Amino acid sequence: EIVLTQSPTTMTASPGEKVTITCRASSSVSYMHWYQQKPGASPKPWIYETSKLASGVPDRFSGSGSGTSYSLTINNMEAEDAATYYCQQWNYPWTFGGGTKLELK
Amino acid sequence: EVQLVESGGGLVQPGRSMKLSCAASGFTFNNYDMAWVCQAPKKGLEWVATISYDGSSTYYRDSVKGRFTISRDNAKSTLYLQMDSLRSEDTATYYCASLWGYFDYWGQGVMVTVSS
Repeated sequence: EIVLTQSPTTMTASPGEKVTITCRASSSVSYMHWYQQKPGASPKPWIYETSKLASGVPDRFSGSGSGTSYSLTINNMEAEDAATYYCQQWNYPWTFGGGTKLELK
Repeated sequence: EVQLVESGGGLVQPGRSMKLSCAASGFTFNNYDMAWVCQAPKKGLEWVATISYDGSSTYYRDSVKGRFTISRDNAKSTLYLQMDSLRSEDTATYYCASLWGYFDYWGQGVMVTVSS
């Protein structure tokens, strides 16, 4: 089973700040997916196949990476971006990272 | 509009069984692999089980193998999760999700509480 480790686990950011969340895999994976979840809501696909934005996701978000290291970046943090973000690798058995809680400063 | 609506959750005693259902609409259900993903209170997401679009293949996380059974009825556009020998550590919100490379549509989730 591939273990995904996200960092940081929690962070705060001010409006307009650049944010980077990292996801490291215990073995190489071909793609990484990312989900956004807000309190009391279901997760939403956010970035898929490493760098493709899901429908409706603002273009201030981007994804990159390869092998065992992937990242989600927000250029110009906005209040609505405060949420928990999870990475997920696409090989069986499917696994998620532990999540990064992003709060607004 | 795509909708996945879970039902069947609630409070159950340890060792007992429960069956979850997920009614799908708004997309071609029998073209999609489907999955269950759970989230324990205040915890992260965990994949539970996946079934192929035609029901011919099933996959489970180790902790539920032999206890949980995923199935589907394509004629009814419905996904199921039969959960037997439930344990306190199975307490979680269970989401059904469609799988098209990634988990692209999610239900609202149903809470399962295993407690005496």
